[in-house]
Amino acid sequence: EPEVTQTPSHQVTQMGQEVILRCVPISNHLYFYWYRQILGQKVEFLVSFYNNEISEKSEIFDDQFSVERPDGSNFTLKIRSTKLEDSAMYFCASRTSGRTTDTQYFGPGTRLTVL
Amino acid sequence: GEDVEQSLFLSVREGDSSVINCTYTDSSSTYLYWYKQEPGAGLQLLTYIFSNMDMKQDQRLTVLLNKKDKHLSLRIADTQTGDSAIYFCAESRAGGFKTIFGAGTRLFVKA
Repeated sequence: EPEVTQTPSHQVTQMGQEVILRCVPISNHLYFYWYRQILGQKVEFLVSFYNNEISEKSEIFDDQFSVERPDGSNFTLKIRSTKLEDSAMYFCASRTSGRTTDTQYFGPGTRLTVL
Repeated sequence: GEDVEQSLFLSVREGDSSVINCTYTDSSSTYLYWYKQEPGAGLQLLTYIFSNMDMKQDQRLTVLLNKKDKHLSLRIADTQTGDSAIYFCAESRAGGFKTIFGAGTRLFVKA
């Protein structure tokens, strides 16, 4: 069964450093998402991406965050200058169409630890 | 605003039924979901229900929706140790792109 993959599984960085989290969505999917989950808290929507542009973003997704689909397979989330409160599990997801009844396939997540 | 609430822990004995409850606030919610997360894994969609339905059954899973009270429940019949995981309730609107999640209910199944 096709799956969404994410690398690395765990990223440790110093506060103020830039990090790039990588995702490989399922190959025929058109919609891509990033969510995050701070330990013990809810899974929060960050951003959705379609046709090479952001289609929706949350209040969390400020100027420190950016997303990119640099080639036909990768989907990245960049945090320019990490803060302690960015420590969380980051989930990538993809979907074939924009209808919400279509299943979002989630990756296993990248655990980001900011020291 | 949109919010989804669920209890954090549930412990059951193997073979018993588990019932995980959830409440949501968005009256415009059209789709309601249950996701399962096992340790170290991603989010697996278990089932979903449309807001115009009261109930949906899928093998051992039964979803009940009380739209008036904005209450959703997931019943797992004959709970097995392999069902031990975190279960997330989630909702979204028609045509919307984002999904709003609850904090997750950790289900412990005792042998």
